[in-house]
Parts: sequence; C-alpha cells; structure tokens
Amino acid sequence: GNSVTQMEGPVTLSEEAFLTINCTYTATGYPSLFWYVQYPGEGLQLLLKATKADDKGSNKGFEATYRKETTSFHLEKGSVQVSDSAVYFCALRDSNYQLIWGAGTKLIIKP
Amino acid sequence: DAGVIQSPRHEVTEMGQEVTLRCKPISGHDYLFWYRQTMMRGLELLIYFNNNVPIDDSGMPEDRFSAKMPNASFSTLKIQPSEPRDSAVYFCASRGGLAVTDTQYFGPGTRLTVL
Repeated sequence: GNSVTQMEGPVTLSEEAFLTINCTYTATGYPSLFWYVQYPGEGLQLLLKATKADDKGSNKGFEATYRKETTSFHLEKGSVQVSDSAVYFCALRDSNYQLIWGAGTKLIIKP
Repeated sequence: DAGVIQSPRHEVTEMGQEVTLRCKPISGHDYLFWYRQTMMRGLELLIYFNNNVPIDDSGMPEDRFSAKMPNASFSTLKIQPSEPRDSAVYFCASRGGLAVTDTQYFGPGTRLTVL
C-alpha cells in the first residue's frame, strides 16, 4: 500500500545552518507530494507541493524536488531561522485523492 | 476568508462524559476531514465527508465516536462516553473540489483532555 517515511526527529540545528529533512514514499503511479508545517499550537498548513517527477516545490526559502528514481521528496533550506522551529509533515495524495501522512519531524532551531 | 473554525479550542472533561467538537469549514469547500493527533500515534484520519455525506469512516476508533455534517457549513465530532485515552488534539480540515485544488486547510485544533 501507499506509505510515507520521514526521518525521525527532533532535528536540532543552529541558526543559519543548512537543513535537510528526508522523506521517501511508496506508491503506485506518480502521486502528488506535499510538505506541510505545523507551528506550535497551530494546525497544519501547506508549505509546498510538487505534482510530477522532477518538479521542484518552493516557498519561504524551503525547497523540495520530486525524485521518481529514488522515490524521495526531501525538504531543504539553505539557512534556517529560529522562526522555522516547527513540525514538518511529508504527505502523498493517493488514488482516492486523500493524503497519506508521514509521522512528522520536529525541527528545533537554536539562536 | 476566516479559514477553518473549530470550537472549543480547549476542552477538559471527566471520563464518561459526552464531548462535542465543532467545525465550520471554509465557505465553498465540499470536502471536510476530521483528524486526531497524539504523540504516540501521530496524525490519524478519522473520517471525511464530501458534500455533507460521510465517505470513509474507517479511521473512527470505535462506536463511541460519531461524526455528522448536517449542512455544508457545520460538522460535529462526538465522543460518548469519553475515556482518558481519547485525550488528543482534534483537527478539522476542508478542501475544495479536485478541479480547483488538492490542498487541505486545517483549523487550529481542539485540545481535549479527559480526566
């Protein structure tokens, strides 16, 4: 069946460090892929998405590239800020158009 | 747009009591989702509706849980009787039709504590 696997957290970095959060998926076909972010005390919100192979989603300095050959959608940011501290969820849209979620990765940025 | 609205934001109740969580989706959205989030189990889809009709309730944990959507602008998730293991954050999310978007918009959540 469809599934999403994310790297376990928490991930702790210093401000201005480079960020990578790994996400791999298992699915039939070529699903749309998403990253959602959850700031403390809030609901999830869409960060970026990609709908086909080799697409790059980007927003707020974050990027992720849909890699069909490695079934991956890793999230990256060149220089993180304290305000990026949150939980990040990777997800895929299945054939029923519903989202299959990863477990979430907590990111902690220290000043 | 006000976004997805949930009430109450926090609920503390005693075991055995009935709990009702409420959600108002974004106007014009015809899909509504109820999720539960815990540290142990992460984010779980409980049930979703399309045009007020329940489509998939396979995630509802047991008969103590029920959800309704009497109209396009209101949904409830009821737990009766509540148990301590139901303590979690419950999120409602809505989405427009697939021809428009596949992005789900989440409410701020209701933090439920059952003592």
